[in-house]
Amino acid sequence: NAGVMQNPRHLVRRRGQEARLRCSPVKGHSHVYWYRQLPEEGLKFMVYLQKENIIDESGMPKERFSAEFPKEGPSILRIQQVVRGDSAAYFCASSPQGLTYEQYFGPGTRLTVT
Amino acid sequence: QKEVEQNSGPLSVPEGAIASLNCTYSDRGSQSFFWYRQYSGKSPELIMSIYSNGDKEDGRFTAQLNKASQYVSLLIRDSQPSDSATYLCAVRRLTGGGNKLTFGTGTQLKVEL
Repeated sequence: NAGVMQNPRHLVRRRGQEARLRCSPVKGHSHVYWYRQLPEEGLKFMVYLQKENIIDESGMPKERFSAEFPKEGPSILRIQQVVRGDSAAYFCASSPQGLTYEQYFGPGTRLTVT
Repeated sequence: QKEVEQNSGPLSVPEGAIASLNCTYSDRGSQSFFWYRQYSGKSPELIMSIYSNGDKEDGRFTAQLNKASQYVSLLIRDSQPSDSATYLCAVRRLTGGGNKLTFGTGTQLKVEL
């Protein structure tokens, strides 16, 4: 019974490169959420997606960040032209259909920008 | 004022004691409340959810919710060294807030031998 899977677990990028983070939700879960945890800070919501739809992107930075959850395949969080301030742990969570279910987190991707 | 406030700690308790973790929230529209445990370098792990006023017990854990006071707490009975972690309080409002969780910055718990 696999949980949320994220890859890569660790990602090192140089300033200006692109970072692609992948998330496969729990089997049967159709809702995906991305959160970011900066060093010494709490978890911050970024975006909420269902298959082929962005439901709430109120936490996404206006530039350089995008997310998708295609009909087939994992959800992707894409960060273009990374800067040092993007260094953080990025967590994906999933929940079953419906708004009243708990969210379960994946192991996270730790992004380091050098 | 932060949306979700927690004392950062560390909260130190001896093994076998009761650990009491507290959380206050500012949004009266919050309807769902969660406690996550996060070990250093790991991802958050859901340990309790509570939706209505009162107490909810699950094993050694009891969550308490008081919506009038905008207060939620987590009690851990018979604390063990393996309970040493950061405990994150999260709240969610279902109307006008989508399905996102708003987290506090966490309370670090240390259970000492």
